[in-house]
Parts: sequence; C-alpha cells; structure tokens
Amino acid sequence: DIQMTQSPSFLSASVGDRVTINCKASQNINKYLNWYQQKLGEAPKRLIYNTNNLQTGIPSRFSGSGSGTDYTLTISSLQPEDFATYFCLQHNSFPWTFGGGTKLELK
Amino acid sequence: EVQILETGGGLVKPGGSLRLSCATSGFNFNDYFMNWVRQAPGKGLEWVAQIRNKNYNYATYYAESLEGRVTISRDDSKSSVYLQVSSLRAEDTAIYYCTRGVTTYWGQGVMVTVSS
Repeated sequence: DIQMTQSPSFLSASVGDRVTINCKASQNINKYLNWYQQKLGEAPKRLIYNTNNLQTGIPSRFSGSGSGTDYTLTISSLQPEDFATYFCLQHNSFPWTFGGGTKLELK
Repeated sequence: EVQILETGGGLVKPGGSLRLSCATSGFNFNDYFMNWVRQAPGKGLEWVAQIRNKNYNYATYYAESLEGRVTISRDDSKSSVYLQVSSLRAEDTAIYYCTRGVTTYWGQGVMVTVSS
C-alpha cells in the first residue's frame, strides 16, 4: 500500500497568512493527488484534483503543486472560513490512501 | 444538482451485519464509478471500496482491512450503490460516506455504531 505522510498535523496561523501543507507518498503517485477541506460536522469538500487542478467554485487562493512523491497545498492568504482540517488523497493505485490530516487553527 | 444520500446506518451489535444504501440523482449514474469512504469519530478518512461502471464490467476494489467482510454493489436502474458489511467490530464504528468518481461529490454520511 502507498503510505501518505501529511505534515504538519496541526498548524496555527492568522488571517492573511500564507500557509503550506505537505503530503509525501511512499512511492511515485504520478500526480494523482487530491486535496480536501473538512469542517466540523460536514462532509469533506474537494479543493484540488490531480495535484494542481482547482475544483469549480473553489477560490483561487487555494493552489496545489508537486510531482513524484511530494505534494503541497498552498493557501495564499488565509480567510476566516479557511480554518478547518485538510486531507490529501492518492488515487494512483488501490487501495486509495489518505493523509492523516492537518488541522488549521486560528492563532 | 448532484445529490447523494446515504441511509441504513445505526447501532449494531458486534458480529452483526449492515447494508448501507446510497441513492443518487442529478447526474448520469451509469457513467460513474462510486466509492465508500469512512471516518471513525475524531479520526481521519479511510477509503473503503469502489465499484466501477458497466464499461469496466462493474469491477470492485476493497481496502485490505475490510476485504472479506465487505461487498459493494450497484443498481444502475435505481442510481444507487450499496455497501454490505458483515462481522462488524467496534473499530468499524464510523461515518460512512458515499462519493462519486474520484470523490468529486460526497453525501452527508451515515453513522454506523458497533456496540453491545
């Protein structure tokens, strides 16, 4: 199975900050990497698919990058509604595997 | 508008079985493969199973941690997908989400609690 190591697990930041969240795969996942945002009590919402494609309706302050085994989600200027938990998912091969999550909190 | 609605959750005794249903609308169900993803209370996400569409002979894939205890199926005439889970254990307690394709759309989830 491909292991997805997500970091950091917790992140404190302020409105307006630029933040980055990382996912490292245990092997090449060929850019088949998605990012999700989950707020308390809600289903996850897909933000980015296949490394760097912004889901329709998602603000452009969210972006993704990476290749091979290393991937990054960047939020260019944090807004109050962005404080949530973020997950990555590799769908290059079965079983699909998620990162452990990053809880983004208000500093 | 894409709609996904999971039903069938509840409280089940260890060793019991459960069949979750996922009804969809707002898109051509026949064109998409479907997944189940679960989330234990306060924990991360775990992919559970996928079923592909007719073009891929309804191929199925399962998480190793559940293989042998879980069966995913679909009924294209009802635009629905199902998850049968047997020999339930406490660690199967989770919200089970139904998702379309590469998890583009998610239902609100259904809670399954395994407890005596």
